Amino acid sequence: DAGVIQSPRHEVTEMGQEVTLRCKPISGHNSLFWYRQTMMRGLELLIYFNNNVPIDDSGMPEDRFSAKMPNASFSTLKIQPSEPRDSAVYFCASSPRTGGTEKLFFGSGTQLSVL
Amino acid sequence: QKEVEQNSGPLSVPEGAIASLNCTYSDRGSQSFFWYRQYSGKSPELIMSIYSNGDKEDGRFTAQLNKASQYVSLLIRDSQPSDSATYLCAVKENTPLVFGKGTRLSVIA
Repeated sequence: DAGVIQSPRHEVTEMGQEVTLRCKPISGHNSLFWYRQTMMRGLELLIYFNNNVPIDDSGMPEDRFSAKMPNASFSTLKIQPSEPRDSAVYFCASSPRTGGTEKLFFGSGTQLSVL
Repeated sequence: QKEVEQNSGPLSVPEGAIASLNCTYSDRGSQSFFWYRQYSGKSPELIMSIYSNGDKEDGRFTAQLNKASQYVSLLIRDSQPSDSATYLCAVKENTPLVFGKGTRLSVIA
């Protein structure tokens, strides 16, 4: 199994631009999570999906952030417009059971830098 | 607001020593507890899980849980330089995992 695949690995953009992060979960996994990691705040949950349905997006910091999961094998996290404070590592993770089982399988992350 | 607290470190131990990593959590209803290891520039990976009070051993790793004190710890015996990483404590009730900010461990050869 290829594991959770995220793209791009690195993204450098200018303030005000739209950023789209992509994730392909492990086949057969029912839950998908988007986390953001910074030194100051650690690993924070932004949103999670069960069976492609968004369950809890209370961690999404602002309306500038949106996430979709159009099918079981693909999800996107979009930031529009981006701001320097959005600079962080964004991780996608999947797990094989709905509700969030204990074992999360993380992708390699996207390092986002907003200038 | 559920909180998971860890000492950020760095915790430095000599090779071969026991490393002790600690974590406290605020939600008394939490049922499941996990330790993830994250190497610099990499993603977190699960190394231990524990669900009931007491100790759970897996190779050189021992997880300890005390629900009354809302405290969970990870012991690493015979520490190796390859154990140098950030260790994230994670707690789960009926919601997805809540992570601590992690403790950076440095094992000195």
